[in-house]
Amino acid sequence: SQQGEEDPQALSIQEGENATMNCSYKTSINNLQWYRQNSGRGLVHLILIRSNEREKHSGRLRVTLDTSKKSSSLLITASRAADTASYFCATDDQAGTALIFGKGTTLSVSS
Amino acid sequence: DGGITQSPKYLFRKEGQNVTLSCEQNLNHDAMYWYRQDPGQGLRLIYYSQIVNDFQKGDIAEGYSVSREKKESFPLTVTSAQKNPTAFYLCASKTWSTEAFFGQGTRLTVV
Repeated sequence: SQQGEEDPQALSIQEGENATMNCSYKTSINNLQWYRQNSGRGLVHLILIRSNEREKHSGRLRVTLDTSKKSSSLLITASRAADTASYFCATDDQAGTALIFGKGTTLSVSS
Repeated sequence: DGGITQSPKYLFRKEGQNVTLSCEQNLNHDAMYWYRQDPGQGLRLIYYSQIVNDFQKGDIAEGYSVSREKKESFPLTVTSAQKNPTAFYLCASKTWSTEAFFGQGTRLTVV
């Protein structure tokens, strides 16, 4: 399987704290994407970082990519209860064909 | 409104029965994907298609079949050969090297 891994599997924090999730993948990539899933719903795209980029920001989100280590991290700053969800990374292979997801991190933010 | 639609939202299958899950998109995307999600798990790729009349197996294609007769449609059939079909099924579409858009999912239960 080409499936990647997120770490940690579960994360519980207080509102206002930062949340960091890590993703490792196995093959060469064209880009890496992060998605959010609320329970029982479809996934929503958060941010895409290309293989020639090292860091990207979007609002309270910061994503880094280290292609030499085949890893990425997602930082959510000043978390809110509404950020409670599962977060997945996905890799778009170099041919841009298959989109492979990791197993996800479940984030719980308590007020 | 542009988007991707899955139907039905809930589906019940009897033992030995084939069932078909619908996925339609009006985003003019070339690529479409089917994923299976089990409770507390990540997304596993079943099948994907980059172009009409062509599709490739993902990691867990056994017991499933697909067709891509139109760009807008990518139905998934869960056959009687799939021994453990109870899961949440997600369909997605995208263009090359961009983010994916997901439907709201179909929850399939064997009764």
